Amino acid sequence: DTEVTQTPKHLVMGMTNKKSLKCEQHMGHRAMYWYKQKAKKPPELMFVYSYEKLSINESVPSRFSPECPNSSLLNLHLHALQPEDSALYLCASSRGTGAYEQYFGPGTRLTVT
Amino acid sequence: QKEVEQNSGPLSVPEGAIASLNCTYSDRGSQSFFWYRQYSGKSPELIMSIYSNGDKEDGRFTAQLNKASQYVSLLIRDSQPSDSATYLCAVVGGSQGNLIFGKGTKLSVKP
Repeated sequence: DTEVTQTPKHLVMGMTNKKSLKCEQHMGHRAMYWYKQKAKKPPELMFVYSYEKLSINESVPSRFSPECPNSSLLNLHLHALQPEDSALYLCASSRGTGAYEQYFGPGTRLTVT
Repeated sequence: QKEVEQNSGPLSVPEGAIASLNCTYSDRGSQSFFWYRQYSGKSPELIMSIYSNGDKEDGRFTAQLNKASQYVSLLIRDSQPSDSATYLCAVVGGSQGNLIFGKGTKLSVKP
């Protein structure tokens, strides 16, 4: 089973709202990732958690705040977003960082109005 | 700056033909390579991984790796209209194991 689940599938939020994206995997993977993908562009890495510790933060604005409550769950808290933050937000997981295959969830389509 | 280059296409092939997708990478030390398929509006789906020089076959898909030339390719035999998608080449490029993606090649298989 290579399933990564994400909720919600779609989210529309205003610039003053606070919302959270959720990701879950039950494959026993120890690395989890958040990517952002704009239309007709490849995914861009935002954050990497390895063994529940944040190991990469790709200079993402502080209006995005990741959280890894346990090895199966990954959240992305959103606050005071801008319209240009509208994108597909993808969660992925892998057995570890490095050479391991990464499996993506279905994504959350975020629209900021 | 580590880079992964792909021809953006679109690449158009007739149904039943072989589709050939190519990718080059800049970091000679890269060891792990992946091909993802992404349908419009969907998330990337892993279809092949390759770590050693040579060919790796899985059904209609064959990945080819040449580390000396810093080149990785994906062949799709007996192409079907359902193969029409964007194919992303990805390389593990950072010390923390993050993927670096190419911009993707859009493949269109015509019935």
